[in-house]
Amino acid sequence: GENVEQHPSTLSVQEGDSAVIKCTYSDSASNYFPWYKQELGKGPQLIIDIRSNVGEKKDQRIAVTLNKTAKHFSLHITETQPEDSAVYFCAASKDSGNTPLVFGKGTRLSVIA
Amino acid sequence: GAVVSQHPSRVICKSGTSVKIECRSLDFQATTMFWYRQFPKQSLMLMATSNEGSKATYEQGVEKDKFLINHASLTLSTLTVTSAHPEDSSFYICSACELASTDTQYFGPGTRLTVL
Repeated sequence: GENVEQHPSTLSVQEGDSAVIKCTYSDSASNYFPWYKQELGKGPQLIIDIRSNVGEKKDQRIAVTLNKTAKHFSLHITETQPEDSAVYFCAASKDSGNTPLVFGKGTRLSVIA
Repeated sequence: GAVVSQHPSRVICKSGTSVKIECRSLDFQATTMFWYRQFPKQSLMLMATSNEGSKATYEQGVEKDKFLINHASLTLSTLTVTSAHPEDSSFYICSACELASTDTQYFGPGTRLTVL
């Protein structure tokens, strides 16, 4: 089955700097890669996603890149703010919306003011 | 749009009792809902896939007789933890996919279960 590895497990950056979180996946059939932000005591919130027919997607300060050949994808947050502090999870799935997501172990991002 | 709710948000119960958690898609229909469990400082682990009108599909190691799932309508799935024990204490989160739409899964806010 699919296996998703996520690095780093913790990340501290100064406010205004950029943060990059990387994930790799094992199943070449996976074609959907969402990123979720989870704040303490809350459910995961979708922040951006990318499908395998696209190499890069951007939404304001957040961008995701996908390298299908290498089977890895990355989350980039620019101009970080204290409210970006949270745990971020990458995930992968294939086929359709009826397929469960396989999550990475998460990255705890701390943005220091 | 695409809001998923869970009820209750937190529950404390005595060992041996059963607890029901509801997951609702508020503004869309979902043929498939997923149930996850998350222990402190860990990732989400899939417990089961809930399909409207049919039996749930459980992941390996998840006891179907202990974690009863019912998906009676296109907007509601329930998870019942039967004869709960302290080791069942966890954060339970559901997600739902919009009917005939994209791969996007929307997550509920989670339910914190504490078994004394």
